[in-house]
Amino acid sequence: KQEVTQIPAALSVPEGENLVLNCSFTDSAIYNLQWFRQDPGKGLTSLLLIQSSQREQTSGRLNASLDKSSGRSTLYIAASQPGDSATYLCAVEGYSGGGADGLTFGKGTHLIIQP
Amino acid sequence: DTGVSQDPRHKITKRGQNVTFRCDPISEHNRLYWYRQTLGQGPEFLTYFQNEAQLEKSRLLSDRFSAERPKGSFSTLEIQRTEQGDSAMYLCASSPPGQGWFGAFFGQGTRLTVV
Repeated sequence: KQEVTQIPAALSVPEGENLVLNCSFTDSAIYNLQWFRQDPGKGLTSLLLIQSSQREQTSGRLNASLDKSSGRSTLYIAASQPGDSATYLCAVEGYSGGGADGLTFGKGTHLIIQP
Repeated sequence: DTGVSQDPRHKITKRGQNVTFRCDPISEHNRLYWYRQTLGQGPEFLTYFQNEAQLEKSRLLSDRFSAERPKGSFSTLEIQRTEQGDSAMYLCASSPPGQGWFGAFFGQGTRLTVV
């Protein structure tokens, strides 16, 4: 059974710092890995999708890497801003038999950027 | 709005009542997922449809839960005889054809409070 772990569970840093969020997963049989952002009481916004054959994806100040063989991904946020404050969720989409299994999520990293 | 739409956004119900939620996926997305998220946790997979066929059901989906996607378009999730433990955010996601290669797109969720 796939398990996803995110470290740290919470992080508070001053504005302007670069930071790294970590995600690890136990089963490397995945189609993709996604990073999501969730604001309090809201749904999930997809930030980056890395397909299993890819090593990294970039969008603006965000960069996500994937090392499928070691079961790890990192989300790098450059020049953090107070508006980046949210919970960041990592999820992998695995497969078994003939189809996709759906996403397995970590518990998230609660990020606070201090002005 | 061409995103995933969920209705209602909030629902407060008394214990023992039945509730039904609706999800309208992105058009042309043949895969639809339901997830449940409790406070401080990542979303947990409940069930998965490919077109109108329900292909996967989690052990979390007790006999009181039923989901349908009658014409392969919108989906409903019904909870019968609600319990306080059912209080959670219920999230719907859809994905385009192509197995798991293209990631999932989430709605804003329905927050259920059972009193």
